Amino acid sequence: RKEVEQDPGPFNVPEGATVAFNCTYSNSASQSFFWYRQDCRKEPKLLMSVYSSGNEDGRFTAQLNRASQYISLLIRDSKLSDSATYLCVVGTTYNFNKFYFGSGTKLNVKP
Amino acid sequence: DAGVTQSPTHLIKTRGQQVTLRCSPKSGHDTVSWYQQALGQGPQFIFQYYEEEERQRGNFPDRFSGHQFPNYSSELNVNALLLGDSALYLCASSGTALYLEAFFGQGTRLTVV
Repeated sequence: RKEVEQDPGPFNVPEGATVAFNCTYSNSASQSFFWYRQDCRKEPKLLMSVYSSGNEDGRFTAQLNRASQYISLLIRDSKLSDSATYLCVVGTTYNFNKFYFGSGTKLNVKP
Repeated sequence: DAGVTQSPTHLIKTRGQQVTLRCSPKSGHDTVSWYQQALGQGPQFIFQYYEEEERQRGNFPDRFSGHQFPNYSSELNVNALLLGDSALYLCASSGTALYLEAFFGQGTRLTVV
């Protein structure tokens, strides 16, 4: 079983739509959680960290459910510029800050 | 702050050759991790360096080796290149404190022909 699993998509949505991605992780001892965004042929860039209490950054909301071992990302009012691949990342600080990546979920926002 | 820098950005090599990729971490970071990202896949962990030693390794053969220098910069070496080694190689730097995220360089795109 993979450490981190994501629906690969693609998710094709119109501008203005709300879209949600989920990600599950296998190691219950995982301690840090992130969403990264990766544009085509570019490096991943940190979108937001995910905290136990959930957190919001503008149109983006991240949630963590430790009991079910999943992380979610909600994007409201989608923009064309949100089109990218979104990577779920789980860190295990007991294992020296080793990060495990999902394969990414591709989002296409259409006009 | 220059962030994480990698060189070269693109590289074409022939099967059987050897390649060295370089990475300078973000200022203040002492841990460097290398990842291989094949087309359409998420990054796969190769290994991690801290205090000039490899302290973690993913499921990659011994053809993949590395080094970290006293200034925390790092090299990834791949010997006896195979066509399947063609990928984007990403360097990520992080600190050692809890919950610190990783920052990535722009990557080196290696093509083996």
